[in-house]
Amino acid sequence: AQTVTQSQPEMSVQEAETVTLSCTYDTSESDYYLFWYKQPPSRQMILVIRQEAYKQQNATENRFSVNFQKAAKSFSLKISDSQLGDAAMYFCAWWTDKLIFGTGTRLQVFP
Amino acid sequence: NAGVTQTPKFRILKIGQSMTLQCAQDMNHNYMYWYRQDPGMGLKLIYYSVGAGITDKGEVPNGYNVSRSTTEDFPLRLELAAPSQTSVYFCAVSLLSYNEQFFGPGTRLTVL
Repeated sequence: AQTVTQSQPEMSVQEAETVTLSCTYDTSESDYYLFWYKQPPSRQMILVIRQEAYKQQNATENRFSVNFQKAAKSFSLKISDSQLGDAAMYFCAWWTDKLIFGTGTRLQVFP
Repeated sequence: NAGVTQTPKFRILKIGQSMTLQCAQDMNHNYMYWYRQDPGMGLKLIYYSVGAGITDKGEVPNGYNVSRSTTEDFPLRLELAAPSQTSVYFCAVSLLSYNEQFFGPGTRLTVL
């Protein structure tokens, strides 16, 4: 079965610091896409960043970047200069023909 | 542009009742999806559609039905509500299957 594992149910970070959220996945596919979604208390799902498996270069979006290790099937999210508005649930998701979500990591940001 | 809209926002059903969750989009995207999110869990795919008249099952389709007669609308039908269907339901759309999915605000459904 294709699975996505987020082993950190909760993480916390101080404002302006850096935090890394972990994600691993299990697949025999070679062509796929990976996503990080943010879900704030409003419940709205918002795309944070996307990575194509065929690209070796790690994706970045402003303060958000990923460390994509294809051989290790690892896709971690780094948030730099954390802000109070980053507090949310973060879901890792893997796509080959359907989007498979992990169980999420709750990120708290302390002033 | 409204993007993806869902109605209702909240609903309480009694066991055995039926209801339809509505999803509409004005993004002209081909792909539409229904997910459910149980407490403390990620989203699980119920059904999806690649275009008008075409639907297919996802991971957890039992107890649900869908139809897609237009590009804009993708309603989800619960025929005989059960407590196990208490969840938050999200509709999403994407232009192509591997593109970013845009989500609606969700419907919180409680079955008592």
